[in-house]
Amino acid sequence: EDKVVQSPLSLVVHEGDTVTLNCSYEVTNFRSLLWYKQEKKAPTFLFMLTSSGIEKKSGRLSSILDKKELFSILNITATQTGDSAVYLCAVTLGGNTGKLIFGQGTTLQVKP
Amino acid sequence: DGGITQSPKYLFRKEGQNVTLSCEQNLNHDAMYWYRQDPGQGLRLIYYSQIVNDFQKGDIAEGYSVSREKKESFPLTVTSAQKNPTAFYLCASSISSTTPNYGYTFGSGTRLTVV
Repeated sequence: EDKVVQSPLSLVVHEGDTVTLNCSYEVTNFRSLLWYKQEKKAPTFLFMLTSSGIEKKSGRLSSILDKKELFSILNITATQTGDSAVYLCAVTLGGNTGKLIFGQGTTLQVKP
Repeated sequence: DGGITQSPKYLFRKEGQNVTLSCEQNLNHDAMYWYRQDPGQGLRLIYYSQIVNDFQKGDIAEGYSVSREKKESFPLTVTSAQKNPTAFYLCASSISSTTPNYGYTFGSGTRLTVV
């Protein structure tokens, strides 16, 4: 059974801290791994990763994929209260269904 | 602006009633998806459609039905057979099911509560 597991499930930090969110996966036909941020309603796209070892960066956020060990991490440096959200990891399967397999999500709370 | 519109944002249903959640997109995307989100369980796929007049069951299709009569529209009906329908429902679309590399565009969701 295809599955994606995120850890931790929840995290509370203070502004300025650095956090690392983890995502591991076991799927039969991997195509890509995606990170989303969900604040209240619609998840918003952060990163897409397809190749191992290539870091993607956007401001204070960065992510990297390890296809040998089947995991990805999302780093957030100098956290701000606006980073408080649920962070979703999802894996796109190969084939023609377009299905995404989502992890449970990590709820991040950044305190002032 | 292009996007996905879900309505209503909040919906209350009495036990035994069927309700229909609307999802409309103007992105000219071929593929559309319905997910259910429960606390601590991430998103689970209910149904998806790769082209008009065709759709497939996802992982938790029991108690739900869909139609895809137009490219822009993919309504979801929650039937009385769904035993635990209270959840947050998200609709999504992608350019095509064979090239979802950039993931989905999501709607803002509908929160359904059974009263």
